[in-house]
Amino acid sequence: KAGVTQTPRYLIKTRGQQVTLSCSPISGHRSVSWYQQTPGQGLQFLFEYFSETQRNKGNFPGRFSGRQFSNSRSEMNVSTLELGDSALYLCASSPDGSEKLFFGSGTQLSVL
Amino acid sequence: LAKTTQPISMDSYEGQEVNITCSHNNIATNDYITWYQQFPSQGPRFIIQGYKTKVTNEVASLFIPADRKSSTLSLPRVSLSDTAVYYCLVGFSGGYNKLIFGAGTRLAVHP
Repeated sequence: KAGVTQTPRYLIKTRGQQVTLSCSPISGHRSVSWYQQTPGQGLQFLFEYFSETQRNKGNFPGRFSGRQFSNSRSEMNVSTLELGDSALYLCASSPDGSEKLFFGSGTQLSVL
Repeated sequence: LAKTTQPISMDSYEGQEVNITCSHNNIATNDYITWYQQFPSQGPRFIIQGYKTKVTNEVASLFIPADRKSSTLSLPRVSLSDTAVYYCLVGFSGGYNKLIFGAGTRLAVHP
């Protein structure tokens, strides 16, 4: 089975712009969750989608949003980018939202 | 809310056994403990998961005492390729928004 695929691998944006990141989960996995990883804050949960519905949301501002499509693919959007949004954004999938998460390689976002 | 504490770094040599401990004093009754391995420029990779006592798979063992306030990941006979950051994750019983990742332990394996 193909693993979790995230695109693009790298992104460079400037402050104030918006960005959309994409995640294709493992075939058959219905839960997709997103995480932000920074050297200072470590891994932090953003949100989780299951069957196109957001089930859980972490403690991030409304500039961070996401959605999931009927084929379980998911997108994450960050509007009005700030310098502090520079991070590795990771997507993970699981068959049913269980604890065993399968992560993609991430999208490295740099905000200049 | 559960909080986890791990050593920041550890050093070992090839062929040795490595034990990494994670403290999670406020773990909820139904929380599982999961360990992940992460290499540079990659996402975390699942290693092992447990609820209590001992769990063993082909790459590691996980020891959880009866009070569940800590857990120990044991890597037998490490090699240079085990050099990575190891994270413990506690949670799920309260939903994804209650997930707590440890800060990670940077393991360096030397020849």
